[in-house]
Amino acid sequence: QKEVEQDPGPLSVPEGAIVSLNCTYSNSAFQYFMWYRQYSRKGPELLMYTYSSGNKEDGRFTAQVDKSSKYISLFIRDSQPSDSATYLCAMSPYQGAQKLVFGQGTRLTINP
Amino acid sequence: DAGITQSPRHKVTETGTPVTLRCHQTENHRYMYWYRQDPGHGLRLIHYSYGVKDTDKGEVSDGYSVSRSKTEDFLLTLESATSSQTSVYFCAIRAGRNSPLHFGNGTRLTVT
Repeated sequence: QKEVEQDPGPLSVPEGAIVSLNCTYSNSAFQYFMWYRQYSRKGPELLMYTYSSGNKEDGRFTAQVDKSSKYISLFIRDSQPSDSATYLCAMSPYQGAQKLVFGQGTRLTINP
Repeated sequence: DAGITQSPRHKVTETGTPVTLRCHQTENHRYMYWYRQDPGHGLRLIHYSYGVKDTDKGEVSDGYSVSRSKTEDFLLTLESATSSQTSVYFCAIRAGRNSPLHFGNGTRLTVT
């Protein structure tokens, strides 16, 4: 079993919809959680990070962590065609860890 | 792209040949990383460097070696390429342990 599981999709939704992207994990030591966005033929870029449990909001994006269920989510409100990308979750035991564990990514398409 | 240049961007090589991929940064960051990205596996760490001549192994280091003789350059070498090393290779950098990772745009390697 992988340490981090992420549904690869693809996920296709209409413009303006609320998108929910999720990852589950098995290692209870993970405390630092990140979401990366990767456009086609590009490297991943950091979208958001959260430490331990709770929610964090940044514009149209909300990251949520439920440590009791070992489950993290990224919500995108008012989705735009420019949000079409692959979204990868990543996590580590602490913020400065050298070795991050990535999910395999969910490919998202927002249809105009 | 955070001042990261990966070369070459694409390479096709034959099984058994040596291959060297280069990552060059203009940010003077201390930490540099090599990842590979494969369908179904997400990003996996191959090797990383925490300073000139200071390197360590990641989770998938077998068959790979690295060198860092200057702050700005981190080389990944496949001594004898195999078909299982067909992948997209990403270099990443970060300024400090608690800083976010910044990725290059990748090198697509095909081993025939």
